[in-house]
Amino acid sequence: DVKVTQSSRYLVKRTGEKVFLECVQDMDHENMFWYRQDPGLGLRLIYFSYDVKMKEKGDIPEGYSVSREKKERFSLILESASTNQTSMYLCASSRPGGDTEAFFGQGTRLTVV
Amino acid sequence: GESVGLHLPTLSVQEGDNSIINCAYSNSASDYFIWYKQESGKGPQFIIDIRSNMDKRQGQRVTVLLNKTVKHLSLQIAATQPGDSAVYFCAENIGDYKLSFGAGTTVTVRA
Repeated sequence: DVKVTQSSRYLVKRTGEKVFLECVQDMDHENMFWYRQDPGLGLRLIYFSYDVKMKEKGDIPEGYSVSREKKERFSLILESASTNQTSMYLCASSRPGGDTEAFFGQGTRLTVV
Repeated sequence: GESVGLHLPTLSVQEGDNSIINCAYSNSASDYFIWYKQESGKGPQFIIDIRSNMDKRQGQRVTVLLNKTVKHLSLQIAATQPGDSAVYFCAENIGDYKLSFGAGTTVTVRA
């Protein structure tokens, strides 16, 4: 069974903290993605990576960075967490090509207080 | 901005009836579309996909219709069951392997 695993289901962090969200996939996929999900806004792409050490900005990269040192792992970093980053964060992976589905993790609900 | 959007944020359906969920997209160059289902507390799960060279594709109890003329996508669920209660997202491939998602439609099945 294919799997995308996010390290935490729930996180509570303080304003100004540096936050790491980890994601691991076991499908040997080249592409990995980080989305945030907010009510009424659907899923918005933060960053994606199509290869190790490669990264591309999505639609809302401000306040975030990413790291992909290994093919199976894609980390999302909040350099200095703010309350407007309270959200559900979803990691996904996919094979190369434009006609391929993305597989999602279960999500991390982050609350910044 | 969003290139994919759903017409209705919520849909209430009687158990056993058919459901139709609609989606409009704005990028005429999009060539691949997916419907995802997201149950409470879970990540989105793939339901069915369709390529732009097709008008219709059927799965188990689900059918996706694509009308490229009006840039419209729909998901039909036959004989809706309680387990179909979820949020449904359409997504389109906008190039560079990225998917753009709509806001989602919450489907509630009435017993």
